[in-house]
Amino acid sequence: EAQVTQNPRYLITVTGKKLTVTCSQNMNHEYMSWYRQDPGLGLRQIYYSMNVEVTDKGDVPEGYKVSRKEKRNFPLILESPSPNQTSLYFCASSLGAGRGAEAFFGQGTRLTVV
Amino acid sequence: QKEVEQNSGPLSVPEGAIASLNCTYSDRGSQSFFWYRQYSGKSPELIMFIYSNGDKEDGRFTAQLNKASQYVSLLIRDSQPSDSATYLCALREAARQLTFGSGTQLTVLP
Repeated sequence: EAQVTQNPRYLITVTGKKLTVTCSQNMNHEYMSWYRQDPGLGLRQIYYSMNVEVTDKGDVPEGYKVSRKEKRNFPLILESPSPNQTSLYFCASSLGAGRGAEAFFGQGTRLTVV
Repeated sequence: QKEVEQNSGPLSVPEGAIASLNCTYSDRGSQSFFWYRQYSGKSPELIMFIYSNGDKEDGRFTAQLNKASQYVSLLIRDSQPSDSATYLCALREAARQLTFGSGTQLTVLP
C-alpha cells in the first residue's frame, strides 16, 4: 500500500529537548516536504527536498532542520523546541514538483512543547 | 499579502444542496490548482486538481478555474453529511512547492 508514514503520532516534550519526527514514503517519490498546521493559518511549508541531499527552506524554516540522506526518508529535527512550535505537523511526498504532482500526506504528528 | 485566500466559513448547507467553495490567488504564474479535503484531526486528501480554464467534473465535484480573474472554485452537488470537512485550496507555480489557503470549514446539515 502506497503511504507516507510519520512517527510519532503524538509527542509532548519540554522546551529545549531535541527531538526528531521521522517520515518515510514507499512510493519512490523524489519530492518530500514538511508542513505545520495551526488554526486559522492553514498549512505552511517548513522545508522541502527535491531529491537526495537537496533540501531548501519553505515559508517557516526557523527552528527546524531536515536531512535527506535516502530517497524514502525525510526526518524533521527540532534542535531546541520552544512552545511556539506546538503544532500539527505533516510530511508529504509527491512524484515531483511539476504540473499536477499530487501531494500524499502522512497521518500527522501532534507536537506539544511545554 | 496572503497568496491564497479562502473564506474561512463556516459554511453550512442543507443535505442535498450545492456547496460552493471559493479561492482567490495573487500569483499569476500559478499553473496547477488543487482542492484537498481534511476531516478533523486527519491529514489532507486530494479530491480535485485543475490546470486549464473552465470546468472539470468528477462525480459530485466540479472544479472551476478562471485564470484571468484569478479564482478557483469547488462545487459539491447533492451534499452529504459525510462531506462535512475543511476544504483546502492549494496552488503550485511551475516547479515550486504547494501553497495552501487557510481552508473553508463546510458543514452539511442532515
